[in-house]
Amino acid sequence: QKEVEQNSGPLSVPEGAIASLNCTYSDRVSQSFFWYRQYSGKSPELIMSIYSNGDKEDGRFTAQLNKASQYVSLLIRDSQPSDSATYLCAVSDNTNAGKSTFGDGTTLTVKP
Amino acid sequence: SAVISQKPSRDICQRGTSLTIQCQVDSQVTMMFWYRQQPGQSLTLIATANQGSEATYESGFVIDKFPISRPNLTFSTLTVSNMSPEDSSIYLCSVEDENGQGFWFFGPGTRLTVL
Repeated sequence: QKEVEQNSGPLSVPEGAIASLNCTYSDRVSQSFFWYRQYSGKSPELIMSIYSNGDKEDGRFTAQLNKASQYVSLLIRDSQPSDSATYLCAVSDNTNAGKSTFGDGTTLTVKP
Repeated sequence: SAVISQKPSRDICQRGTSLTIQCQVDSQVTMMFWYRQQPGQSLTLIATANQGSEATYESGFVIDKFPISRPNLTFSTLTVSNMSPEDSSIYLCSVEDENGQGFWFFGPGTRLTVL
């Protein structure tokens, strides 16, 4: 079993819809959770971080964390074509010399 | 936020040769990290580079193949030695958020193609 698993893509949604990206992790001691966005041919950039159970909202983005279920998700409301990218889930236990474990990513396409 | 630059941005190399990738950060950082991202795949950590000490390599990566230098707190190099087509990948330099929030800043990457 992979340490960080993301829902298989690609995911396609119409413009204005809600895109839901999911991630599960295997290490129960994980403490920090991140979502990175990677446009084609570019490097990853952080878009959301979450550290405690519940929801965290930032503009059109909402991260949801459930440590009991070892599950983290990213919701993108009012999806735009500019949101089309690969989204990487990353998990850290804050102890392993700053290392994060990345999922394989989910590619999102928002169709106009 | 840290600003990271890498050189070269891309290169096409012949099998058996070596390429050195440079990474420059606009602030002093304790650790610098080198990642590989093969086509269509996620990020794999190659090694962690600390200034003044040997780099720490992840399982599957060895110093003879990926020698790393870290001469100061803002600069590091990664060499891909004796290249084969399997080394074709994007190589990314990364630093951790210095405020301890645990996330990473990535350089723009070096796209390497080995023929």
